[in-house]
Amino acid sequence: EAGVAQSPRYKIIEKRQSVAFWCNPISGHATLYWYQQILGQGPKLLIQFQNNGVVDDSQLPKDRFSAERLKGVDSTLKIQPAKLEDSAVYLCASSLIWAGNTEAFFGQGTRLTVV
Amino acid sequence: AQRVTQPEKLLSVFKGAPVELKCNYSYSGSPELFWYVQYSRQRLQLLLRHISRESIKGFTADLNKGETSFHLKKPFAQEEDSAMYYCALRSGGYQKVTFGTGTKLQVIP
Repeated sequence: EAGVAQSPRYKIIEKRQSVAFWCNPISGHATLYWYQQILGQGPKLLIQFQNNGVVDDSQLPKDRFSAERLKGVDSTLKIQPAKLEDSAVYLCASSLIWAGNTEAFFGQGTRLTVV
Repeated sequence: AQRVTQPEKLLSVFKGAPVELKCNYSYSGSPELFWYVQYSRQRLQLLLRHISRESIKGFTADLNKGETSFHLKKPFAQEEDSAMYYCALRSGGYQKVTFGTGTKLQVIP
């Protein structure tokens, strides 16, 4: 099956600029996650969607980060304005909605560098 | 709140030696535990999950609820095992997945 697709792969921006990342999950996967992975750390959940509804955004810095998942398929994550500490890899993952033997499948990630 | 702790940032072993990557968790309910692996320049992928009680690439992990641990073990390390390993916990009605900080396994030839 096709995997989770993310774009762009790399992005370099100056602080205070805006940036957007795009994710296309595996077809049929109702759950979509955005993670932030800072160098040397594990992935940190930013936001989780169930179809097009947000079920967890407790760690999303809402003053500068926003995300949407229109029509319950593709998703975009935006940062506006970016700070130096936002430099990280942004991972998108998706999974089936049901519990049990479901796993999260990850995209290749977008490496953001804020200078 | 749920938490996953991986105490070792780096673990170096010689080829053929046993491997144990430690993972401890804190969660008040019944967790689902996973090990994810990330090989160089590849995406994060599932290695194994406790619910399946499976052995993948020679790795096994047993959930010990008394010690709240889910250590990953392999009797004989191979060079191709060199990678980043992340322990993860899934919980709650919406299946929130929390990751540990990861352990880099380096297998020395």
